[in-house]
Amino acid sequence: ELKVEQNPLFLSMQEGKNYTIYCNYSTTSDRLYWYRQDPGKSLESLFVLLSNGAVKQEGRLMASLDTKARLSTLHITAAVHDLSATYFCAVATSGTYKYIFGTGTRLKVLA
Amino acid sequence: DTEVTQTPKHLVMGMTNKKSLKCEQHMGHRAMYWYKQKAKKPPELMFVYSYEKLSINESVPSRFSPECPNSSLLNLHLHALQPEDSALYLCASSQVQGTDTDTQYFGPGTRLTVL
Repeated sequence: ELKVEQNPLFLSMQEGKNYTIYCNYSTTSDRLYWYRQDPGKSLESLFVLLSNGAVKQEGRLMASLDTKARLSTLHITAAVHDLSATYFCAVATSGTYKYIFGTGTRLKVLA
Repeated sequence: DTEVTQTPKHLVMGMTNKKSLKCEQHMGHRAMYWYKQKAKKPPELMFVYSYEKLSINESVPSRFSPECPNSSLLNLHLHALQPEDSALYLCASSQVQGTDTDTQYFGPGTRLTVL
């Protein structure tokens, strides 16, 4: 059974600082996704990672994938308050539409 | 147009009621999904339709009944729900697997309260 874990679960950080969120998954997967969710809102797609060593960047966020270690990271550079949200990774079981979401990381960026 | 719409936005129903949630997309996506999300928890996959056929049912109780009338529409019929079914119900759609466009687009959700 595919399991997806994120850490930390909660993250409070100062503006301007850097930090990394980790996403570990338990079985082989060919697709990993990162989403953002603001309180009371739906999910917004951030990144799709499809191969080992894939790296994608958008603004202050950069995501990477290591399929051998079954690990993805979401790196935050010089955080700003607008990045405060809950971040989820999601993994799809190989060859299926079955997506399993990680536990989520609630990020709060303090001014 | 990268929008998934859901109606209603809010729904309050009694345990004996029958209601339906509706989801629509016009992106030409051939996979559509229902998720349930409880407060401060990740979304949990309920159903997946692929080319209008049910391909995944995650052992969801029969009081939830999905329907995909055509490639743009997805319904979730609700009957005899329990208070613990109160949650945010999210619909999503996606393209085919394995491409850079293979991402799920989520609707705004229906917040369901069962009394």
